[in-house]
Amino acid sequence: DTAVSQTPKYLVTQMGNDKSIKCEQNLGHDTMYWYKQDSKKFLKIMFSYNNKELIINETVPNRFSPKSPDKAHLNLHINSLELGDSAVYFCASSQARVDNEQFFGPGTRLTVL
Amino acid sequence: QKEVEQDPGPLSVPEGAIVSLNCTYSNSAFQYFMWYRQYSRKGPELLMYTYSSGNKEDGRFTAQVDKSSKYISLFIRDSQPSDSATYLCASRSYNTDKLIFGTGTRLQVFP
Repeated sequence: DTAVSQTPKYLVTQMGNDKSIKCEQNLGHDTMYWYKQDSKKFLKIMFSYNNKELIINETVPNRFSPKSPDKAHLNLHINSLELGDSAVYFCASSQARVDNEQFFGPGTRLTVL
Repeated sequence: QKEVEQDPGPLSVPEGAIVSLNCTYSNSAFQYFMWYRQYSRKGPELLMYTYSSGNKEDGRFTAQVDKSSKYISLFIRDSQPSDSATYLCASRSYNTDKLIFGTGTRLQVFP
């Protein structure tokens, strides 16, 4: 009965590789998000989608490309990985676009060597 | 300067203590103020939120916002070892879904 799930949980890869992280929510929410949390625990929004439409696109390198095949899924593809991409990536969802409660997944810990 | 600032801690207190966690923010447009709790190796979860200035209480937790000084507080009464976590404050403006998080304060409650 997991609400927001992400795969994989851990990802270790070499610089220059391309990788994807998948996210699914079974809460019936309209809005989904990707966040990046750095080693100092700073959590910063990267993207948000509402009903498959891109709403927020922060100043993220275009090596990062989100894709929302349907309302329940939001994937993140990263090209040409760099050392600075190492972080924990969280997917989240909320019932509506403007909502104080966001439900977070367990995170994907990405390590770029 | 980050829009929401928090002392990263760690803050270490004995069980039963009253804990005060604080944030400051710089954006006058912020209207909603949230506290999220994040256990180690988990995603954040919402504890409580307040709208504009004032207090809100939920069990052992009280959130307080003073918009005149741009100060956000979370008080935990009778702290328990299970309260040990990182506490993230967050804010947003009225008509946006973009939450701005602080860096979090790590709290450790020892028995």
